[in-house]
Amino acid sequence: SQTIHQWPATLVQPVGSPLSLECTVEGTSNPNLYWYRQAAGRGLQLLFYSVGIGQISSEVPQNLSASRPQDRQFILSSKKLLLSDSGFYLCAWSLTSGAQYFGPGTRLTVL
Amino acid sequence: GNSVTQMEGPVTLSEEAFLTINCTYTATGYPSLFWYVQYPGEGLQLLLKATKADDKGSNKGFEATYRKETTSFHLEKGSVQVSDSAVYFCALSDYGKAAGNKLTFGGGTRVLVKP
Repeated sequence: SQTIHQWPATLVQPVGSPLSLECTVEGTSNPNLYWYRQAAGRGLQLLFYSVGIGQISSEVPQNLSASRPQDRQFILSSKKLLLSDSGFYLCAWSLTSGAQYFGPGTRLTVL
Repeated sequence: GNSVTQMEGPVTLSEEAFLTINCTYTATGYPSLFWYVQYPGEGLQLLLKATKADDKGSNKGFEATYRKETTSFHLEKGSVQVSDSAVYFCALSDYGKAAGNKLTFGGGTRVLVKP
C-alpha cells in the first residue's frame, strides 16, 4: 500500500530565515505530487504540482519554490521566510484516478 | 474555469441528527467528484468519490450522489456522532495526468457535533 510522509511535523522559524519542507511517497511510481498551503480557518491553496522528476508547475507567484529531485520526493523551499508564509503545508500525491491522497502536514509558524 | 461551492459553516448539530452538506459545481466535461474530511491538526482524508453521473459514493455511513442535472454532490449522513466533528471539503478533478490531475476545492464546511 502507498504511504506519504512529511517532515518536520511542526516548525517555528524567524522572518528572513530559509525553509525546506520534505515530502516522500512510498509504494507507487511516477505519481503526480502537490504542495498546498492552508491558512488558519481557511481553505486550500495549491502552490505547486509536478507530473515528473524535474517538472514543476507554479500556481501562485510567491517567495516559495519547489523541486522534485527524485520520483517520489517533493521539496518546498524558501530563501527568506515572510510572516505571511505561516500556515499548514500539505503534500499530496495522485495517479490517474483523479483522487489525491494527502500527507499529515507541516505546521509552520514564522515569527 | 471550474469551481466548487459549499455551504458555509459552522454546522452545529446534536449527536444522532441527520447531516447534509450541500455542494454544487461548475465544470467543463465530466469531472470526478470527491468529499474529503479533515480532523483537527491533520491532513485531508478521502471520504468518498464518484466518477460519473448517478454514481453514489459511500463510506463510514456517509453518502453522496453525483447529480449531473443539478450539478450537485451533496454529502449526507443519517446519524452523526461526536467523532464526525471535522471540516468537510467537496472537490472536483481536472482529469488527466498531463494536466496534473488538479483538484478544485470548495471552501470547506466545519461541522460540530455536540453530545
